[in-house]
Amino acid sequence: EVHLEESGGGLVQPGGSLRLSCAASGFTFRSYSMNWVRQAPGKGLEWVSYISSSGDTIYYADSVKGRFTISRDNARNSLYLQINSLRGEDTAVYYCTRSLSGDAPSWGQGTLVTVSS
Amino acid sequence: EIVMTQSPATLSVSPGERATLSCRASQSVSTNLAWYQQKRGQAPRLLIHDASTRATGVPARFSGSGSGTEFTLTINSLQSEDFAVYYCQQYNNWPPMYTFGQGTKLEIK
Repeated sequence: EVHLEESGGGLVQPGGSLRLSCAASGFTFRSYSMNWVRQAPGKGLEWVSYISSSGDTIYYADSVKGRFTISRDNARNSLYLQINSLRGEDTAVYYCTRSLSGDAPSWGQGTLVTVSS
Repeated sequence: EIVMTQSPATLSVSPGERATLSCRASQSVSTNLAWYQQKRGQAPRLLIHDASTRATGVPARFSGSGSGTEFTLTINSLQSEDFAVYYCQQYNNWPPMYTFGQGTKLEIK
């Protein structure tokens, strides 16, 4: 069974940083692209970043470009999101997803990032 | 960026009846469209991919249709557990700048 478990969220001051992690199990991690998707409180879903299966192709939403860095460690079956220069509008639940196309998507339960002074 | 627009924002339907949700893309996405169900406090759950294919384990009362820019999710014989928020999402373009609709809240009438 596919399992994705995010961690690393928490309360952080504006301008601060966090590193989110996602531990994957139940599938061949190195064979799938991965994404981060976020959801602000009471709002809809927003795609944040994509990384290819090998890690050599990366894309970001314009809203986070230059502040967020996605990475993965296929040996550890793990996905990461380094988030810097945090703003109030970054407050959201951050979901790790396996792919976002075809029949492959799976989602973790999310980790909450709250940006507040 | 491909903009996805869902309608209506809120849909009130009685249990046992049919619900029809719409999703429109600002440009053609072929059949590269998914539907998700999200219940309060939970992660989204994939219902439909490739516009009309039910994901594993999804009941047959859920069906998707459409191509190009117009898509529909139909839920027949609504059950109590179906009342939730539904999102459409396109995955047609490259680079993969995936976009979601703003959601339709399906509530009990």
